[in-house]
Amino acid sequence: AQSVTQPDIHITVSEGASLELRCNYSYGATPYLFWYVQSPGQGLQLLLKYFSGDTLVQGIKGFEAEFKRSQSSFNLRKPSVHWSDAAEYFCAVGGLTSGTYKYIFGTGTRLKVLA
Amino acid sequence: DAGVTQSPTHLIKTRGQQVTLRCSPKSGHDTVSWYQQALGQGPQFIFQYYEEEERQRGNFPDRFSGHQFPNYSSELNVNALLLGDSALYLCASSLEGQGAGKAFFGQGTRLTVV
Repeated sequence: AQSVTQPDIHITVSEGASLELRCNYSYGATPYLFWYVQSPGQGLQLLLKYFSGDTLVQGIKGFEAEFKRSQSSFNLRKPSVHWSDAAEYFCAVGGLTSGTYKYIFGTGTRLKVLA
Repeated sequence: DAGVTQSPTHLIKTRGQQVTLRCSPKSGHDTVSWYQQALGQGPQFIFQYYEEEERQRGNFPDRFSGHQFPNYSSELNVNALLLGDSALYLCASSLEGQGAGKAFFGQGTRLTVV
């Protein structure tokens, strides 16, 4: 079965510290992988995506993620967190199923940033 | 260029009532997907509409139904509302055949069932 696991429900970091959000997936084929960010009361904003090629992908707002096939992981990183990064982060796997392209999301990681 | 717009932004309904949520896709997009995001959860796929037909459905009961209009806009209807239907409902639009990762999400409609 296709699934996405985000093992950390909450993470708290200090402003300026580095960040890593974990994501593991289960998918039958080569996955398309995504990270989205959601601020309170808002929709989803795409941070970055991986389709193929270089396993280290760069996104917006200084985020990057690394695809590791052997570990079925797609962890999100940022070298220095800003207070405005406080939000909820969702990892998702996307694929074509019966002619329909849809996303399967993890349960999210809520990031709190301490001043 | 307007992105995906959803209306209303918030609404409150009583158990047993029916509700209709609306979505206007991004200009040029012809496919609309609906997701339910319960509190503390990630979005879950409800169904997708293309060419005015429901193309695929997630694990949701028949109380959830939808429609797509010739202008590609879409409605999500939920009948016999339950408290558990309280959630943020997200609409995503895309262009058929455009491939992965090209969906745009709206801001969502927050439904509260009391």
